[in-house]
Amino acid sequence: RKEVEQDPGPFNVPEGATVAFNCTYSNSASQSFFWYRQDCRKEPKLLMSVYSSGNEDGRFTAQLNRASQYISLLIRDSKLSDSATYLCVVNKDGGFKTIFGAGTRLFVKA
Amino acid sequence: GAGVSQSPSNKVTEKGKDVELRCDPISGHTALYWYRQSLGQGLEFLIYFQGNSAPDKSGLPSDRFSAERTGGSVSTLTIQRTQQEDSAVYLCASSPTSGSPYEQYFGPGTRLTVT
Repeated sequence: RKEVEQDPGPFNVPEGATVAFNCTYSNSASQSFFWYRQDCRKEPKLLMSVYSSGNEDGRFTAQLNRASQYISLLIRDSKLSDSATYLCVVNKDGGFKTIFGAGTRLFVKA
Repeated sequence: GAGVSQSPSNKVTEKGKDVELRCDPISGHTALYWYRQSLGQGLEFLIYFQGNSAPDKSGLPSDRFSAERTGGSVSTLTIQRTQQEDSAVYLCASSPTSGSPYEQYFGPGTRLTVT
């Protein structure tokens, strides 16, 4: 079993749609969780951290479920510019080492 | 301020040659990571440096790969006797130790092609 697993997609959605991605992790000792965004042939960039109580940043909402060991990302009112690969990131054993999921591809169409 | 920089941006080398890839982290960031990403794949952790601590080399795929970080700043990833399967984008990231230590800031990567 991979340490961090994501549905690779692709998710094809129309503009304005709401879309959600899930990510599961295997190490219950993991402490920190993030969503990164990666555009085609570009480096990953931090989208948002994921806090235990859940957090929201504009159209983006992140949730953490420790009991089931998954995190989620919800994107509301999708824009064409949201088209990218979304990477789930989990720190390993409470330290600095982080594990990246393989990513979920999103295509938003007009 | 300046972000993470990497050089070269592209490197084409012949099988069996050695290559050196360089990473300049963000000033003041004490944590530095190397990853590689093959076409259409996720990021594969290679090695991690944190301050003066011994690096975490657990992700290096073989003894042909090595990395060093001089003076707690610039890092060099060396691949000896390159093989075609080493072809990938090599990404470097740095992270601060205060605030949010796990947020990583990536460089643009070095695209390595082994012919």
